Amino acid sequence: AQSVSQHNHHVILSEAASLELGCNYSYGGTVNLFWYVQYPGQHLQLLLKYFSGDPLVKGIKGFEAEFIKSKFSFNLRKPSVQWSDTAEYFCAVIDRGSTLGRLYFGRGTQLTVWP
Amino acid sequence: EPEVTQTPSHQVTQMGQEVILRCVPISNHLYFYWYRQILGQKVEFLVSFYNNEISEKSEIFDDQFSVERPDGSNFTLKIRSTKLEDSAMYFCASSETRTGEQFFGPGTRLTVL
Repeated sequence: AQSVSQHNHHVILSEAASLELGCNYSYGGTVNLFWYVQYPGQHLQLLLKYFSGDPLVKGIKGFEAEFIKSKFSFNLRKPSVQWSDTAEYFCAVIDRGSTLGRLYFGRGTQLTVWP
Repeated sequence: EPEVTQTPSHQVTQMGQEVILRCVPISNHLYFYWYRQILGQKVEFLVSFYNNEISEKSEIFDDQFSVERPDGSNFTLKIRSTKLEDSAMYFCASSETRTGEQFFGPGTRLTVL
């Protein structure tokens, strides 16, 4: 079974600081990778996804993520965070080879941005 | 923009009672899922549903749980006899393809007393 690790449980930043949230997964086969965000009081929304091709993917609101296959990693980045980025961020993986679309989630990282 | 909806937003029940959580997936989606998140823990997969039958279920999804698509639009999760440890946020999701993006509903917070 897949396992997804998010290294930071809570990150606190000031506005304009740069952000990098780590995500590692355990399976070495073919995967689809996702970052979801949950703003306070709202549902999970897709931030970005990687299926194949260019390992640097761009998502909404200035976020990007880099897939490094050799490190089983899919880290999320943003050069300059805003107060409105305060939310919980979830990394998730689908193992394309063996499941019927089951998403494996990381534990989530709570990001707090101070104005 | 189409979205997944869930009702109720919050359900409080007594231990041993049956609950039904309801979801309306996005209309042209073919794959349906239930996940849950116990407070402070990971979002966990419960079950996937395709072509009117369960595709996959996790070890959490025991005989107390069942899913149904009764009328072609709703997708329900039934817990037959709730336990205290079933208290969690339950999320419904749907997707167009097997391994594509899953769209999530706002969740139902289930509290078992």
